[in-house]
Amino acid sequence: DAKTTQPTSMDCAEGRAANLPCNHSTISGNEYVYWYRQIHSQGPQYIIHGLKNNETNEMASLIITEDRKSSTLILPHATLRDTAVYYCIVREPSDKLIFGTGTRLQVFP
Amino acid sequence: NAGVMQNPRHLVRRRGQEARLRCSPMKGHSHVYWYRQLPEEGLKFMVYLQKENIIDESGMPKERFSAEFPKEGPSILRIQQVVRGDSAAYFCASSPNLEDTGELFFGEGSRLTVL
Repeated sequence: DAKTTQPTSMDCAEGRAANLPCNHSTISGNEYVYWYRQIHSQGPQYIIHGLKNNETNEMASLIITEDRKSSTLILPHATLRDTAVYYCIVREPSDKLIFGTGTRLQVFP
Repeated sequence: NAGVMQNPRHLVRRRGQEARLRCSPMKGHSHVYWYRQLPEEGLKFMVYLQKENIIDESGMPKERFSAEFPKEGPSILRIQQVVRGDSAAYFCASSPNLEDTGELFFGEGSRLTVL
């Protein structure tokens, strides 16, 4: 079973930052937080991952709380093409990814 | 470097027939994962394979489903005697090694329709 809780859906205006929350209150010390997204019916796409520190790459930023029980994925300037289902996943190294139901992000003009 | 290649992209079978789905991982990747996605649902893990070995098949149905990843050639997900409930998108993903970063590379999926 997925170890994360995410809102079912969110809206965001184009050009604004999209902040997607995730709760993972039972995360253990060696589990990483991963974010993937699935655009329409395509294969999922890796976005970012982190353990303790905040992370940033060309796609997004990941903010992890100090107690690691929750995190937020930030898309700094959402575009229409960012409309997708976003999955927050906790995973032990070398283990499989378990997908939950994710957050359906709708970016509107 | 070509991505994960899955074929066929679409497959139609009648009840009782067999379905074979193929997955060629990215070059240099020796780990393959199969996931199933029913309409309007999330992805469900099925099986994790390395070359010639099944590492974790905890998500595979006990009957009719099998998977292999031979030394040469693609990984195969085989569904025998298909039923309507097998209609789904089947996604394959690959990664380079056991101590990976957790970045799985997914294919575009194979969509099975059982009539």
